[in-house]
Amino acid sequence: DTAVSQTPKYLVTQMGNDKSIKCEQNLGHDTMYWYKQDSKKFLKIMFSYNNKELIINETVPNRFSPKSPDKAHLNLHINSLELGDSAVYFCASSPGTGEQPQHFGDGTRLSIL
Amino acid sequence: EDQVTQSPEALRLQEGESSSLNCSYTVSGLRGLFWYRQDPGKGPEFLFTLYSAGEEKEKERLKATLTKKESFLHITAPKPEDSATYLCAVPNTDKLIFGTGTRLQVFP
Repeated sequence: DTAVSQTPKYLVTQMGNDKSIKCEQNLGHDTMYWYKQDSKKFLKIMFSYNNKELIINETVPNRFSPKSPDKAHLNLHINSLELGDSAVYFCASSPGTGEQPQHFGDGTRLSIL
Repeated sequence: EDQVTQSPEALRLQEGESSSLNCSYTVSGLRGLFWYRQDPGKGPEFLFTLYSAGEEKEKERLKATLTKKESFLHITAPKPEDSATYLCAVPNTDKLIFGTGTRLQVFP
């Protein structure tokens, strides 16, 4: 009964390709997030959606496009992948925004060859 | 600019050897501080929320405390299964700002 689930868990692809990562939460939360964790384990917010509306876009290259078809799903599409995109991408959700704890998925490890 | 700094970066303990992890922050108007545990290959797992200076929370061998400038995660008589990276985070408007974490290894 996974609360926040991401697919795929691993993604290995070549530079220049386009790929998508999917996220679903069954916690009934209103807000979902995408984070990037680099090789030094630093976790940085990329996007946040509240009830399907984009509320945070943290100066991420426009090759990254999030989409929220409903409040239980938040997908991330990445165009023209670059070597620097290699990282672990985490999806998270919270009941609302701001000062509420977030619940994370187990991440998608993206490796660019 | 709001910042969260954790120390030490890595900590090696013998089983049963108590210690503390530090999270210092500079935010205007603290609205809470969160502690997470992250195991290899997994997402961060929520541990505690602290909202005001002087507040303490406990869970098994872990106790989190909060002052006006920093938070401590005290680990009493740790066991090897406590080995993980511990992250703290503070809210800033609609997002969380994370520290870089402390990687804890507990040896039997």
